[in-house]
Amino acid sequence: NAGVTQTPKFQVLKTGQSMTLQCAQDMNHNSMYWYRQDPGMGLRLIYYSASEGTTDKGEVPNGYNVSRLNKREFSLRLESAAPSQTSVYFCASTLKPGGSNTGELFFGEGSRLTVL
Amino acid sequence: AQSVAQPEDQVNVAEGNPLTVKCTYSVSGNPYLFWYVQYPNRGLQFLLKYITGDNLVKGSYGFEAEFNKSQTSFHLKKPSALVSDSALYFCAVRDGGTNAGKSTFGDGTTLTVKP
Repeated sequence: NAGVTQTPKFQVLKTGQSMTLQCAQDMNHNSMYWYRQDPGMGLRLIYYSASEGTTDKGEVPNGYNVSRLNKREFSLRLESAAPSQTSVYFCASTLKPGGSNTGELFFGEGSRLTVL
Repeated sequence: AQSVAQPEDQVNVAEGNPLTVKCTYSVSGNPYLFWYVQYPNRGLQFLLKYITGDNLVKGSYGFEAEFNKSQTSFHLKKPSALVSDSALYFCAVRDGGTNAGKSTFGDGTTLTVKP
């Protein structure tokens, strides 16, 4: 059982280049999330998808776009990378919160992105 | 709006001693509270949660946390620390009254357990 899988694990970009981070989960979870982690700033939510077919902005969405391709996959795209987007990106998933489900998150191993 | 504060960037304890990692929160509805642990170059792993019921909740690896509604706190504790507990710990809160499912994280506390 792989859980949450992110690709690539490492990427170096030049300013202005574009790229897509891929995320897939095999736990039949409804909700998926993209966070970024920066030193001393914890995790900040970029975008999330509460269920297949829906996406919403989080705390820091500027410069990013997302696609919920199907129930398993949720991708994050940087259209024109900037040095401020140098970070470690985490994808997470959970069963749709509500009822008996309390919404603890399951995380991927992270994607370390450097923008020069 | 919801928020989490972890007032200590770093906590140092000796192996075998008890440890406490502090967390306070703010949320408008019912607080769902979580602790996660992150080892170097890894993703976050769920440790324990408080949803309702007993104020003392037990989780993985011998950790427990105490929910205090009046102080809006959810401190992580362990009676006897191990060197292998050294890691980065995050507290998170979610509003249990909504289905949006968005968790807000604190900035993290680095726990170092010395032999």
